[in-house]
Amino acid sequence: GDSVTQMEGPVTLSEEAFLTINCTYTATGYPSLFWYVQYPGEGLQLLLKATKADDKGSNKGFEATYRKETTSFHLEKGSVQVSDSAVYFCALSNDYKLSFGAGTTVTVRA
Amino acid sequence: GAVVSQHPSWVICKSGTSVKIECRSLDFQATTMFWYRQFPKQSLMLMATSNEGSKATYEQGVEKDKFLINHASLTLSTLTVTSAHPEDSSFYICSARDRGCTDTQYFGPGTRLTVL
Repeated sequence: GDSVTQMEGPVTLSEEAFLTINCTYTATGYPSLFWYVQYPGEGLQLLLKATKADDKGSNKGFEATYRKETTSFHLEKGSVQVSDSAVYFCALSNDYKLSFGAGTTVTVRA
Repeated sequence: GAVVSQHPSWVICKSGTSVKIECRSLDFQATTMFWYRQFPKQSLMLMATSNEGSKATYEQGVEKDKFLINHASLTLSTLTVTSAHPEDSSFYICSARDRGCTDTQYFGPGTRLTVL
């Protein structure tokens, strides 16, 4: 079946540091790929998505590129802020069902 | 943007009672809604898929008589936890798929259920 594997956390960074969270997937067909973010005490928010190979999703300074050859969708941000502290979930959609990775907790220190 | 609300945001109940959680899409029509359960520090587990006007499809291992789902309209789905027990305590999250956008789900803020 479909599955998503993402980098285990927690990740602790200083403000303005570079952030990368690795995500790889296994799926049949041509899934869409997503990154969701969950701030403390809140529900999930869509951060960015990509629907086909080589697409790059971007939002709020975050980027991820759909790499079919490596079945990856790594999340990157060049300069993180304290407000980026959250749990980040990589997910894929196949046949309209979402499969989530385990989540990566990111803490950014001032 | 697409907004999904849940009510209540938290509920505490006694063991044996039933609890209903509502999920509404506020500014779009959702032909499909999904119910997830999230344990502390863990990922979301899909419980069931709810299609407007038809019976919900439950994931393996989820008791359909325990977790009753009704999707009566294009903007409302409800999850009723029947005869709740402490092990049902969890964070329940719904999501809705925009009728016009096939692969993006918008999530509600979640409902924290605590069963005493």
